[in-house]
Amino acid sequence: QKEVEQNSGPLSVPEGAIASLNCTYSDRGSQSFFWYRQYSGKSPELIMFIYSNGDKEDGRFTAQLNKASQYVSLLIRDSQPSDSATYLCAVNNAGNNRKLIWGLGTSLAVNP
Amino acid sequence: GAVVSQHPSRVICKSGTSVKIECRSLDFQATTMFWYRQFPKKSLMLMATSNEGSKATYEQGVEKDKFLINHASLTLSTLTVTSAHPEDSSFYICSARDLSHEQFFGPGTRLTVL
Repeated sequence: QKEVEQNSGPLSVPEGAIASLNCTYSDRGSQSFFWYRQYSGKSPELIMFIYSNGDKEDGRFTAQLNKASQYVSLLIRDSQPSDSATYLCAVNNAGNNRKLIWGLGTSLAVNP
Repeated sequence: GAVVSQHPSRVICKSGTSVKIECRSLDFQATTMFWYRQFPKKSLMLMATSNEGSKATYEQGVEKDKFLINHASLTLSTLTVTSAHPEDSSFYICSARDLSHEQFFGPGTRLTVL
């Protein structure tokens, strides 16, 4: 069973702090990794994707990938109340029609 | 990013009727589209993978005769919920994959079956 695991939270951080969201995956053949944000009652929105080991930065967001440890994380700097949402980690492996395997999501609350 | 639309955004129907949901990729061609269902406070559940010009691949436990999927063109896929019942009430979301293999989601369709 190929799995993607996330801490369900809620993760609560004060405004302006760094929020750290973590995700582990079981399939070593996984090739691409995605972070989506989902507000309540809305569909997921792509935040970042990462394919290579290391860090990838985009504005206040940094994705970190460690394939040896099968671990991918998302850092949100200078957290804002508008960042409060559920963050979904998704992993795309080489086979199986390249469909995404989804984590259950981590709920983030940024407190003013 | 790429834009995916869904129609309708919200539908209320009587038990036993059929409901069709359209998913369109507006500014790119999508050889593959995905249909998801999400119950309140639950995670996304993949229902089926739809490839243009071929039959959809359904996930285990999803009835293909109840959830009919058609992907007749590179920009349109439809999901028809046949003989809908109250337990089919859910948030249905499609996504479309571009050549870079990123998935872009439509805004979702909230179905309520009375």
